[in-house]
Amino acid sequence: RKEVEQDPGPFNVPEGATVAFNCTYSNSASQSFFWYRQDCRKEPKLLMSVYSSGNEDGRFTAQLNRASQYISLLIRDSKLSDSATYLCVVNVNSNSGYALNFGKGTSLLVTP
Amino acid sequence: DTAVSQTPKYLVTQMGNDKSIKCEQNLGHDTMYWYKQDSKKFLKIMFSYNNKELIINETVPNRFSPKSPDKAHLNLHINSLELGDSAVYFCASSQGGLVYHEQYFGPGTRLTVT
Repeated sequence: RKEVEQDPGPFNVPEGATVAFNCTYSNSASQSFFWYRQDCRKEPKLLMSVYSSGNEDGRFTAQLNRASQYISLLIRDSKLSDSATYLCVVNVNSNSGYALNFGKGTSLLVTP
Repeated sequence: DTAVSQTPKYLVTQMGNDKSIKCEQNLGHDTMYWYKQDSKKFLKIMFSYNNKELIINETVPNRFSPKSPDKAHLNLHINSLELGDSAVYFCASSQGGLVYHEQYFGPGTRLTVT
């Protein structure tokens, strides 16, 4: 089983739609969770951290379910500029230090 | 102001050659990383340095050798390049290597081995 799994998509949605992405992780010792955004041929950038109680940042809502080892990202009122790949990221602390495990990403295309 | 910069942006070279990619960050961070993103877009950590010391060394061929002359620089040297090394290599930095802080990525170096 891969350490971080995501549905690759693509998700094609019209402007204004609500879309949700899911992610599962395999390591129950994981402590920190994030969503990064990567535009085509660009570097990944942090979108938001994911907290145990769930958190919201404008149109974006992230949820964490530790029991099911599951993370979600909800985007409301989609904009054309939301088109990108969304990477689910999970950390694992080990004796060798801190590592981030990235999912392969979910591709989103918002159409007019 | 570029926070994390990499050179070159594109690198096309033949099998068997040796090449280097340079990375610099001006954020004052103490931890730097190298990631590889392959053709399937899978981003995987290769190395991590904290205050010039190697703290993460994932299963990477020893043809890859990172060098950190100071906290602001982390270079990647690759010997005897192979076709499978073709990928985008991202440098990143953060403050704190053992506790998570946001990682800032460079623009990437697209390596093509022919």
